[in-house]
Amino acid sequence: GESVGLHLPTLSVQEGDNSIINCAYSNSASDYFIWYKQESGKGPQFIIDIRSNMDKRQGQRVTVLLNKTVKHLSLQIAATQPGDSAVYFCAEGGKTDSWGKLQFGAGTQVVVTP
Amino acid sequence: NAGVTQTPKFQVLKTGQSMTLQCAQDMNHNSMYWYRQDPGMGLRLIYYSASEGTTDKGEVPNGYNVSRLNKREFSLRLESAAPSQTSVYFCASRVESRTYGYTFGSGTRLTVV
Repeated sequence: GESVGLHLPTLSVQEGDNSIINCAYSNSASDYFIWYKQESGKGPQFIIDIRSNMDKRQGQRVTVLLNKTVKHLSLQIAATQPGDSAVYFCAEGGKTDSWGKLQFGAGTQVVVTP
Repeated sequence: NAGVTQTPKFQVLKTGQSMTLQCAQDMNHNSMYWYRQDPGMGLRLIYYSASEGTTDKGEVPNGYNVSRLNKREFSLRLESAAPSQTSVYFCASRVESRTYGYTFGSGTRLTVV
């Protein structure tokens, strides 16, 4: 929620446009990637995930793209709505980590304008 | 409602005081986690519990202790609070499967003065 405010990169998007949120991950051994959405005052919510053997995965209005060559992950939101305003985090999980510990990015604040 | 429940939602402590943050999940998940969230730093793992009866340190365990009381409950204790522990604390749980997806609680906002 509000605790990840001032120092976050911000993406301002007009309602109805598509949003693209980017994330650079650090561990080339990571084999599992997740996007979370965090609305103000709430805990993170799972949006979509992708395994390292995939390049693209689609959900409802969202698409995740994975480029392992440059260790880059992106989340595309189609027809952005006011309810999409939130902080978005990427997270990576390692193949060698059987306990499911995730490494989180700092997040991107998405602001949807009318 | 099914999910992860954290109490309290807000707390103010004086330096040196102690307190326990409570977390309970009713989804029959094996693994539970405590994270802290600070501005611009994302979520950092404090402690985790892969199953009932086991706990392990995460990235930032200093100043904290945990107890996995049973399969449902995983508490986080601050023995002597410091201003550096001012943060938002999130508990999460995960079913043991091929998915890494966590279910998070709504958080505890802690201020140490």
